[in-house]
Amino acid sequence: DVVMTQTPPSLSVAIGQSVSISCKSSQSLVYSDGKTYLHWLLQSPGQSPKLLIYQVSNLGSGVPDRFSGTGSQKDFTLKISRVEAEDLGVYYCVQATHFPRTFGGGTKLELK
Amino acid sequence: EVKLVESGGGLVQPGRSLKLSCAASGFSFNDYWMGWVRQAPGKGLEWIGEINQDSSTINYTPSLKDKFTISRDNAQNTLYLQMSKLGSEDTAIYYCARGLNWGQGVMVTVSS
Repeated sequence: DVVMTQTPPSLSVAIGQSVSISCKSSQSLVYSDGKTYLHWLLQSPGQSPKLLIYQVSNLGSGVPDRFSGTGSQKDFTLKISRVEAEDLGVYYCVQATHFPRTFGGGTKLELK
Repeated sequence: EVKLVESGGGLVQPGRSLKLSCAASGFSFNDYWMGWVRQAPGKGLEWIGEINQDSSTINYTPSLKDKFTISRDNAQNTLYLQMSKLGSEDTAIYYCARGLNWGQGVMVTVSS
């Protein structure tokens, strides 16, 4: 299985601060079609996970442009510029290039 | 609007079976792969498996392949998860997913 290593496991931030979350995979996530199926999800407290970014850098519907994703091959980053209170929760990266699909361990974003 | 509503969860004794359902609406169900993901209390996300449009291809995470069966009824716009030989480690919220769109989840508690 592809191992997804997400760091840090938690972040304490002030509103308005910018943060980055890292996600590294044990194998390249480039699929045979040339696309990279690395996505980011946010699970707000008490809710199901919601799509933030798909295929490394594409914003999901309705996701503010404070969120951005970068990376390639095995190394990916989610950046949140100017954190707002609604951004709090647990962030997960997930790879859908290989079977079985696998998730990072999550990064919990909390208010300082 | 994509809507996925899981049902069939609850308290079940160890060693018993349980079948979850996911009612889909707001999209053409028989055009999409569908899948299941679970989350143990206070833990991260675990991909269970997914099924293609005509049920000819079903992929599972290897560790769950012998106890979980995914199926679908396109006429009823419903996805199923048959779970057998349940143990305490299967206690979790079970989410139905269409790609990166998830339902609200249903709780399954395995306990005597």
